[in-house]
Amino acid sequence: DAKTTQPTSMDCAEGRAANLPCNHSTISGNEYVYWYRQIHSQGPQYIIHGLKNNETNEMASLIITEDRKSSTLILPHATLRDTAVYYCIVRVMGMRFGAGTRLTVKP
Amino acid sequence: NAGVTQTPKFRVLKTGQSMTLLCAQDMNHEYMYWYRQDPGMGLRLIHYSVGEGTTAKGEVPDGYNVSRLKKQNFLLGLESAAPSQTSVYFCASSLLTGELYEQYFGPGTRLTVT
Repeated sequence: DAKTTQPTSMDCAEGRAANLPCNHSTISGNEYVYWYRQIHSQGPQYIIHGLKNNETNEMASLIITEDRKSSTLILPHATLRDTAVYYCIVRVMGMRFGAGTRLTVKP
Repeated sequence: NAGVTQTPKFRVLKTGQSMTLLCAQDMNHEYMYWYRQDPGMGLRLIHYSVGEGTTAKGEVPDGYNVSRLKKQNFLLGLESAAPSQTSVYFCASSLLTGELYEQYFGPGTRLTVT
């Protein structure tokens, strides 16, 4: 299974873009990159996923490097409600959630 | 749609007691999963099911059993609870159609074993 590496924590000012990096250097050609987040002690919430191309939805954008060894989740205008733990996952049967990045959005 | 629901929300057990956690989904999903999350940690997969009547082991299956008698339900059992099983348990479900592998999670069950 491909392993992911994320920073332990990050801060972001409210209204600014939050850029969350993830390394997945051992990813296989057919494995997708998924991002989830967990707000406080709730169940994780799906954000976005991609294979090769950059993806955008109403919540975020996902930028995947050409060699697919890393990706960046972008929250374009972070709000206080985006404070959460963000997980970068390479798809295997049943997601493997690491420790994730704790994003704190500050006023 | 209620999505994924879990019963109960909280439970306190004494060492050696048994209990069953119920997960139900109304999205007609084929795949269902049980995870545990210890304080400050990510989620770890306990067991999963790819369809009615089938189950498989995940990363941390020891001490747990599961059953999927109906497509919409996935039960997690603890036969003899231990303090090490104190955790928050999350159930999830998903379709598996091409890249549609988004998992939907329940609200969690907080279990304390004393």
